Amino acid sequence: EILLTQSPDFQSVTPKEKVTITCRASQNIGSNLHWYQQRPDQSPRLLIKYVSQSISGVPSRFSGSGSGTDFTLTINSLEAEDVAAYYCHQSGSLPGTFGQGTKLEIK
Amino acid sequence: EVQLVESGGGLVKPGGSLRLSCAASGFTFSSYSMNWVRQAPGKGLEWVSAISSSGTYKYYAGSMKGRCTISRDNAKNSLFLQMNSLRAEDTAVYYCVRALTPVGPDAFDIWGQGTMVTVSS
Repeated sequence: EILLTQSPDFQSVTPKEKVTITCRASQNIGSNLHWYQQRPDQSPRLLIKYVSQSISGVPSRFSGSGSGTDFTLTINSLEAEDVAAYYCHQSGSLPGTFGQGTKLEIK
Repeated sequence: EVQLVESGGGLVKPGGSLRLSCAASGFTFSSYSMNWVRQAPGKGLEWVSAISSSGTYKYYAGSMKGRCTISRDNAKNSLFLQMNSLRAEDTAVYYCVRALTPVGPDAFDIWGQGTMVTVSS
């Protein structure tokens, strides 16, 4: 089973700040890495697929990068509505696994 | 509107069984692999099971293998998860989730609102 480790676990941020969340895989997963946002009391939603591919309806301030084992989700100019938990997810091999999550809070 | 609506959750005693259902609408259900993903209270996401678009291929997480069965009825646009021998650690919100492709692991682009399963005596 591939382990995904996110950092940080928690971050207190200010509006308009640039936020970076990293996800490290225990083995090479190529580009089979996706990101999800889960706002409080809501279901997760897909933000980025295959490392860096954008999803219709997702604001352009969200972007992804990386390959192999190291990946990054970047939020440019954070907005209050971005307060949420963020999860990375690998589909390179079964079982699909998720990172433990990164929770963002507004200062 | 593309939508997934789960039902069937509830309170069940340890060792009991439960059958979850998911009604899909707004897309060609038979063209997509479907999954169940769960989230224990205050915890992260855990993939539980997947079924290919035709129902031919089925996959299970180790934590549920042998205790659950995934199935689908493409004529009725429905997904199911039969769970047996339930344990306290199975307590979670269970999400019905659509994958991007018909077969195999992939990103999850549509999520239901979830149904809560509580295993307690």
